[in-house]
Amino acid sequence: GAVVSQHPSWVICKSGTSVKIECRSLDFQATTMFWYRQFPKQSLMLMATSNEGSKATYEQGVEKDKFLINHASLTLSTLTVTSAHPEDSSFYICSAPAEAFFGQGTRLTVV
Amino acid sequence: QKEVEQDPGPLSVPEGAIVSLNCTYSNSAFQYFMWYRQYSRKGPELLMYTYSSGNKEDGRFTAQVDKSSKYISLFIRDSQPSDSATYLCAMSLGTGTASKLTFGTGTRLQVTL
Repeated sequence: GAVVSQHPSWVICKSGTSVKIECRSLDFQATTMFWYRQFPKQSLMLMATSNEGSKATYEQGVEKDKFLINHASLTLSTLTVTSAHPEDSSFYICSAPAEAFFGQGTRLTVV
Repeated sequence: QKEVEQDPGPLSVPEGAIVSLNCTYSNSAFQYFMWYRQYSRKGPELLMYTYSSGNKEDGRFTAQVDKSSKYISLFIRDSQPSDSATYLCAMSLGTGTASKLTFGTGTRLQVTL
């Protein structure tokens, strides 16, 4: 079946640095990808929708300059957390609109 | 009020028990209802997907939707230790680009030997 591959699965970075998370659709083309964030013991919250060939759309309260989303091709969407701070530490998950397909998630820890 | 309410648990049951997990929602426009299983530090894995009111069965899992009451349930029969995970309900307004999901907070389930 269709698979969404997310990389890296976990990352630790220093405060102030940037981190890039990749989300690839392995055997299907995805014109849209959703990016979610999940804090410990909380629900997944949609951050933004990436669209191939156009700008991403962000949910209310999500800083677009901080969370840069690029949908470079029909198989790759990236989320870059710029100038990361400890409060950005979270579990980030991408998914394709077909509901079954979630990436494995990326656990980001900013120290 | 949250759009989707789910008891966070934890819920602890003995092996072989029947488990009932539930969510309520407030937005009557939700059309699609999903249940996901999430193991620690992993992405959600789809278990069940329903559209209409009624029951849907898949192996040991039964999903139930009552749109009139805005209430959905997931039943797990003959629960196993491997079922220990967090179970998330989710719902969407439609398919394709309308299918961004609204999640419950998840219920943590522990099945003991």
